[in-house]
Amino acid sequence: AQSVTQLGSHVSVSEGALVLLRCNYSSSVPPYLFWYVQYPNQGLQLLLKYTSAATLVKGINGFEAEFKKSETSFHLTKPSAHMSDAAEYFCAVSEETSGSRLTFGEGTQLTVNP
Amino acid sequence: EAGVTQFPSHSVIEKGQTVTLRCDPISGHDNLYWYRRVMGKEIKFLLHFVKESKQDESGMPNNRFLAERTGGTYSTLKVQPAELEDSGVYFCASSQLGRSSYEQYFGPGTRLTVT
Repeated sequence: AQSVTQLGSHVSVSEGALVLLRCNYSSSVPPYLFWYVQYPNQGLQLLLKYTSAATLVKGINGFEAEFKKSETSFHLTKPSAHMSDAAEYFCAVSEETSGSRLTFGEGTQLTVNP
Repeated sequence: EAGVTQFPSHSVIEKGQTVTLRCDPISGHDNLYWYRRVMGKEIKFLLHFVKESKQDESGMPNNRFLAERTGGTYSTLKVQPAELEDSGVYFCASSQLGRSSYEQYFGPGTRLTVT
């Protein structure tokens, strides 16, 4: 069975500071991993995905994530936060053996302070 | 290209009433998924259609929920009768068949409030 844990339901950073959102997963088979972002009053937008190719994945808006099998982690980072990054971020996992359904973490609300 | 659309965006109903949510996937996407987020909890999978067939409905909470996808285009999710615990945001997502099925595109969600 697959599961996702996002450490920290709320993260606050200053504009220009490093953004680090943590995600750990549990999967019995090689997983596919995703980060989605939800801006206010909008649907979930795919930021980036890992599907067993390069372990360092680059996404939209300057975000990237690194798949670390030994740590079962897929943390999301951005070197310099922008006010427009304020949103809720979701980590998700999928396995070929369970179809293509996604299992989500509880989400992390990112606040960016001026 | 139009994205995934959902209707209505909000619905407020009383306990015991019926509500029908609609999802229009991206044109050409044969996979259609329903998810739900109850307040304060994670987004949870409800079911998965491939064209008009239910591929996986293991996430449906009980038989008060009925999903259909006639003709393999849009889908409806009916809750009858609604209970207080059904309140939450219902998301629909779609994707192409094959390896691209893992790249799901989400709609804005329907916020359901049962009073």
